Amino acid sequence: AQSVTQPDIHITVSEGASLELRCNYSYGATPYLFWYVQSPGQGLQLLLKYFSGDTLVQGIKGFEAEFKRSQSSFNLRKPSVHWSDAAEYFCAVGFYYGGATNKLIFGTGTLLAVQP
Amino acid sequence: DGGITQSPKYLFRKEGQNVTLSCEQNLNHDAMYWYRQDPGQGLRLIYYSQIVNDFQKGDIAEGYSVSREKKESFPLTVTSAQKNPTAFYLCASSILGEWDSNQPQHFGDGTRLSIL
Repeated sequence: AQSVTQPDIHITVSEGASLELRCNYSYGATPYLFWYVQSPGQGLQLLLKYFSGDTLVQGIKGFEAEFKRSQSSFNLRKPSVHWSDAAEYFCAVGFYYGGATNKLIFGTGTLLAVQP
Repeated sequence: DGGITQSPKYLFRKEGQNVTLSCEQNLNHDAMYWYRQDPGQGLRLIYYSQIVNDFQKGDIAEGYSVSREKKESFPLTVTSAQKNPTAFYLCASSILGEWDSNQPQHFGDGTRLSIL
């Protein structure tokens, strides 16, 4: 069965420090992979996506992620964190469901806190 | 701008009462989805719909009902049979049949439901 694991429930980093959020997936075929960010009380905003091709993908707000098939991972990175990056981050894997509808399976999320 | 509107933002329910959460989209998307979000559990799919007058159960449909009378609208009713309805509810929409090159699913800003 398809699944997504985000092993870190909560991470705290200092402003200006680098960040890496981990994501591992279980899926039989080549996955569609996504990272979303959620600010408190808000909906989800897409940060970046991987469909195929270059395994290092760039997203919005200075984020990037690398797809590693051998490790079934899609970790999110940012070289220098800003206080405004404090939010919850969700990794998701996508596939077709019910024939035509695309479906997303989400990880449980990683809550990022940024220290001044 | 096109998007998804969820209302109300906050909703309170008395024990034994049904409540309906509204979701409207003007993106001309065929597919719509309802998710439930609980702390530490990520997003779980309640119902989805691919076309007007048709909808399918997701992973946690018990205690919920939906309708899809118009393409733009996909209201969710939380019935009295749902014993633990307190959660954050997110509505999403997408095109049908293939992954959108920009957004797999577009999300609303959510409705927070609480029990009085």
